[in-house]
Formats: sequence, structure tokens, C-alpha cells
Amino acid sequence: SQQGEEDPQALSIQEGENATMNCSYKTSINNLQWYRQNSGRGLVHLILIRSNEREKHSGRLRVTLDTSKKSSSLLITASRAADTASYFCATAPYTGGFKTIFGAGTRLFVKA
Amino acid sequence: DTGVSQDPRHKITKRGQNVTFRCDPISEHNRLYWYRQTLGQGPEFLTYFQNEAQLEKSRLLSDRFSAERPKGSFSTLEIQRTEQGDSAMYLCASRRGGSLLAGGLETQYFGPGTRLLVL
Repeated sequence: SQQGEEDPQALSIQEGENATMNCSYKTSINNLQWYRQNSGRGLVHLILIRSNEREKHSGRLRVTLDTSKKSSSLLITASRAADTASYFCATAPYTGGFKTIFGAGTRLFVKA
Repeated sequence: DTGVSQDPRHKITKRGQNVTFRCDPISEHNRLYWYRQTLGQGPEFLTYFQNEAQLEKSRLLSDRFSAERPKGSFSTLEIQRTEQGDSAMYLCASRRGGSLLAGGLETQYFGPGTRLLVL
């Protein structure tokens, strides 16, 4: 498969709790992005982290990147029911070309 | 609404028929992508355009698939002789130009997708 791995595949939490999703990838990268997708809709960009960055914040989102382990994590703090969606990481191989590789996603369900 | 539109939003067709989808990217975006997404999976890259040039195609893209971007603006994706395995969501995304040396991964803006069902 061309896709990376995401963990867990599904996550169910209570409103107010934190949600952590992990992504592993296979090749060296320049940067990594996280996207969100509501059921049956297109994807929406959340955050981009470059390969020389280790952590990045945006509102309630915190992303970490460990290039030595080829992994990233997305933390959503103080989750809300509206955060219910699928979350995907996306990378572009450093070897060039234009392909973008998405993981299989984590399905997050936040219970009110 | 990201500013990327796709038409139609839904398409039901019979096996063996041809279908064509259209994507209108954000006007100042010269890069355009097509993806296919099946239920429970992430988007799979199909092809990439820079202006009107198709610069990369996935091995997933069989000979029955063809994509064009004739004037560097809108793009079409055609599937000939559809098969039931073609049933999926077809997503289009666009972005601004980025440095090729840097790999050029910048924010992609996705359309709402065209959901195809082949009976």
C-alpha cells in the first residue's frame, strides 16, 4: 500500500477529553500535514509541520514530528462534539515527484 | 466552502458506461490533484497537474482513466468502461505553486468530491 499507518483506527472519547492520534510514514519528508474530513465531505487542512520542526500549535491542536522515528502525532485538547470527524496525515516523499500520500485515517467520535 | 468546486456531486452509472467529472480549482492555484477515496480509507493519489501539464500519474490510474486540464484552469477526469471497482469518492484539490526543490507540499484545498456508484 502507498499509504502510511495511522493509529488508532478509531477513537471514542467524552467531550472535554483530549484526543491523540498517531501517524507513521515510510520515506524521508520535507513536511507533514494533518487534514480533517467530516463524513461524506472533502478534506480540510488543519496544520503543517516542516521536517526541521518538532512541535507546532494551532488553537486546540498540537502536532509533534519525530523524523528519526518517521512518526507524527496530533493532539486535540478539550475536545468538542463538533470535532467528530476523520483525521488524516499527509506526506510528500522527499525523493521528489508530486505525489501526496495520505494515511488511512483515525475516526474520532466525541460524545456530548 | 474551500473555493474548489466539483461537478457532479453524485453519479450513478451502469457498468461499461463512460463518466466524466469536472473540477474547478481556486482561480490563482496552478497546481491541481485528483484523488480516489474508498470507504474507510484515506485519499489515494491519482494524478497531478501543474498548469496544463500532467506531471505525474499513479500506477493506480489504468488506461481507462484519463485526466485533462486544457487551459490550466478547470480539469476533467474521465473513466471509460466503468467497473464496479471504480465506485468511490473522487476528490480534487488545488494549491498554489511551491518550490520543486523543497518537494512543494503546501496546503491543498479540497473540493467536496464526486461520489461515483457503478451498478
